[in-house]
Amino acid sequence: AQSVTQLDSHVSVSEGTPVLLRCNYSSSYSPSLFWYVQHPNKGLQLLLKYTSAATLVKGINGFEAEFKKSETSFHLTKPSAHMSDAAEYFCVVRRTDSWGKLQFGAGTQVVVTP
Amino acid sequence: EPEVTQTPSHQVTQMGQEVILRCVPISNHLYFYWYRQILGQKVEFLVSFYNNEISEKSEIFDDQFSVERPDGSNFTLKIRSTKLEDSAMYFCASNQPGGTNTDTQYFGPGTRLTVL
Repeated sequence: AQSVTQLDSHVSVSEGTPVLLRCNYSSSYSPSLFWYVQHPNKGLQLLLKYTSAATLVKGINGFEAEFKKSETSFHLTKPSAHMSDAAEYFCVVRRTDSWGKLQFGAGTQVVVTP
Repeated sequence: EPEVTQTPSHQVTQMGQEVILRCVPISNHLYFYWYRQILGQKVEFLVSFYNNEISEKSEIFDDQFSVERPDGSNFTLKIRSTKLEDSAMYFCASNQPGGTNTDTQYFGPGTRLTVL
């Protein structure tokens, strides 16, 4: 079975400092992994996805994530946080036993302080 | 850029009433989904729909729930007799088969359902 665990429920960063959101996955097969972001009162927006083409994945708004099979991790990073990055971030795995069923992590709330 | 839309943004209903949540997926997409997020909990898969039938459903999706694509653009979720525990944000999503973005599901902004 596939699952994801987000290791931090809340992360607070200062504007201009790096952001690190941690995600570990569990999968019997090579997974498809995603990061989605949800701004207040908005829908879920895809930041980036990993589908085995490259282990370092670049997404929108300066975010990137690295797939590390040996560590079963897919951490999301950004070199310099912006105020507009304040949102909730979800690590998501597409279950390989299902065509489209996505399994979400619990989410990480990011607060950016001036 | 095409996007998934949902109406209404907020629905308040009395327990036992029927509600229909509406979604307009991206026009050339063929797979459709409903997810829900109860306040403070994870986003959960409810159902997937393809070729006018349910492809997969979760254990949450019991006989009180149904989905329909009544025309070429809308995709609806009906809850026949709402319960207090149905209060949640409901997200519609769609994706397109084939190509490099075949995995990517595009989500709507959600409908917040409040059952009183």
